[in-house]
Amino acid sequence: DQQVKQNSPSLSVQEGRISILNCDYTNSMFDYFLWYKKYPAEGPTFLISISSIKDKNEDGRFTVFLNKSAKHLSLHIVPSQPGDSAVYFCAVSNFGNEKLTFGTGTRLTIIP
Amino acid sequence: DAGVTQSPTHLIKTRGQHVTLRCSPISGHKSVSWYQQVLGQGPQFIFQYYEKEERGRGNFPDRFSARQFPNYSSELNVNALLLGDSALYLCASSLNDRMQFFGPGTRLTVL
Repeated sequence: DQQVKQNSPSLSVQEGRISILNCDYTNSMFDYFLWYKKYPAEGPTFLISISSIKDKNEDGRFTVFLNKSAKHLSLHIVPSQPGDSAVYFCAVSNFGNEKLTFGTGTRLTIIP
Repeated sequence: DAGVTQSPTHLIKTRGQHVTLRCSPISGHKSVSWYQQVLGQGPQFIFQYYEKEERGRGNFPDRFSARQFPNYSSELNVNALLLGDSALYLCASSLNDRMQFFGPGTRLTVL
């Protein structure tokens, strides 16, 4: 049973526009949420995180939004750049357990 | 500052063999976790170690084992390899907080 879902396997966005990646989770006990970016033949690179006490966190071009009632989080990238083309994973954890549970990933392609 | 390092980068084994994968965490990080990523899926949690003690174990058979050394480096061992063990094995380290930093992974191919 998939506890974390990224329903869009792929997404194409024009350079300069906003990219929005979505992630849904099933367990309300999850209280820490992360986004990772992965290039081929590399390990995941941490992008941004948010704890359940917040509903928004920004870091430069990246903003993560958390909707606890809907068990939904999203990553906004604006403006999108060609170097943002990669696979993006959301990951979740709950307090007292450092284990990360990952979604299946969304392949983002930025079109120049 | 060096990130998480893993060795080897690639490995080819045959069914039934044994494999040992190695990981060195970021300096100062005492927690190491192992994940398996098969094609088209997100990483799946295998083990977490902190201060040489196992803190968590994922849904993997007993053929998978790990340990952490006094310098916080870690080994993942897999016995009696199956074709389905072919995957990218990722190591992550953390300061015992919620943020984990990943190494480049070891690509294991079982023939």
